[in-house]
Amino acid sequence: DTGVSQDPRHKITKRGQNVTFRCDPISEHNRLYWYRQTLGQGPEFLTYFQNEAQLEKSRLLSDRFSAERPKGSFSTLEIQRTEQGDSAMYLCASSLEQGFQETQYFGPGTRLLVL
Amino acid sequence: KNQVEQSPQSLIILEGKNCTLQCNYTVSPFSNLRWYKQDTGRGPVSLTIMTFSENTKSNGRYTATLDADTKQSSLHITASQLSDSASYICVVTPGENGNNRLAFGKGNQVVVIP
Repeated sequence: DTGVSQDPRHKITKRGQNVTFRCDPISEHNRLYWYRQTLGQGPEFLTYFQNEAQLEKSRLLSDRFSAERPKGSFSTLEIQRTEQGDSAMYLCASSLEQGFQETQYFGPGTRLLVL
Repeated sequence: KNQVEQSPQSLIILEGKNCTLQCNYTVSPFSNLRWYKQDTGRGPVSLTIMTFSENTKSNGRYTATLDADTKQSSLHITASQLSDSASYICVVTPGENGNNRLAFGKGNQVVVIP
């Protein structure tokens, strides 16, 4: 257990439905990241927060995706009008800004299946 | 083209044997290189981290090496155990001090059999 938790761990939904995932980072970590991982691939960067500010978004994050970190603690990732191609593992990671030795700690992930 | 290439893609080894996983990267400059272990259905867990000035780092039975000149890293697993069955992901942090856009390899899938 890395200290980063994600909820739910699994989600099955029908195409067109909206889904929301939650990530609770390690409490003192000011940075929070969302990634998507498909089978046999490494994680792909989606977006990044420093405290409550969303500083960077990948081109992968279409307008159907939105992420928030309202109080600089937990974060949510919402996918609207889900498509079958959204099926993947969604990983959250957190870190404490500390230069060269900074390490991202990953949560267990939320596995999404869109039928 | 992926900036981080790992080989072999998958590997089956007998319990108790050693194995070495390879990572070649093109990211330059880079801040650090990490190896993560990812069990099936779980998030990655950091094993080792090396900055550009370090060339070896150990964590129990795991030993990582780094050659910044040839842009190669390896992860050596000694006396493998069944619990070592996992994907091992090589991750490079680009830039001089940034941590925003990690470059991930696709992972080396290791299966340890009794």
